[in-house]
Amino acid sequence: KNQVEQSPQSLIILEGKNCTLQCNYTVSPFSNLRWYKQDTGRGPVSLTIMTFSENTKSNGRYTATLDADTKQSSLHITASQLSDSASYICVVSPGSGGSYIPTFGRGTSLIVHP
Amino acid sequence: DAGVIQSPRHEVTEMGQEVTLRCKPISGHDYLFWYRQTMMRGLELLIYFNNNVPIDDSGMPEDRFSAKMPNASFSTLKIQPSEPRDSAVYFCASSWGGQPQHFGDGTRLSIL
Repeated sequence: KNQVEQSPQSLIILEGKNCTLQCNYTVSPFSNLRWYKQDTGRGPVSLTIMTFSENTKSNGRYTATLDADTKQSSLHITASQLSDSASYICVVSPGSGGSYIPTFGRGTSLIVHP
Repeated sequence: DAGVIQSPRHEVTEMGQEVTLRCKPISGHDYLFWYRQTMMRGLELLIYFNNNVPIDDSGMPEDRFSAKMPNASFSTLKIQPSEPRDSAVYFCASSWGGQPQHFGDGTRLSIL
């Protein structure tokens, strides 16, 4: 069964600090992995997408890494800001041609305190 | 630049009533997705369309749920009859070529 596990479930950090969120998956075959940011009361917004051959991808202060061998990904947030407070969702899409049935993680809730 | 537009933003109704959620995708997108999000189960894909044709509805929980896409600029998700366990936030998303998906801000549905 395809699964995506995220940790920690929730995280509280001080403004300006760095943090790393984890995502482990069992989806196979694998096509791509995407990190979404979801603000309270809003829909998810894509931060990064990584394919099988990519190890690292950055989007401003967000850096995602992928180890396709161990089926692990991480999202690193540098110099956190209050606006980073949100839920971060890891989504893995299968590799079967034309399929768009992704598997979603439950998300990590991040709170950044001033 | 208009994103995905969902209506209503909030819906409160009594069990047994019919509920219709609406979605206007981003112009030019050829894929449309309906999701449900709850605290217990997170985000779940219910159904998706390609060029207005339903491709996979295996995520639709029961026959009480139905979705239509009569044209490229409009889709509905209907629940009839509604039950309290249907209470959730329902998201619509659209994309060109399947990814990335652009989400609307959701409809928060409460069934009493």
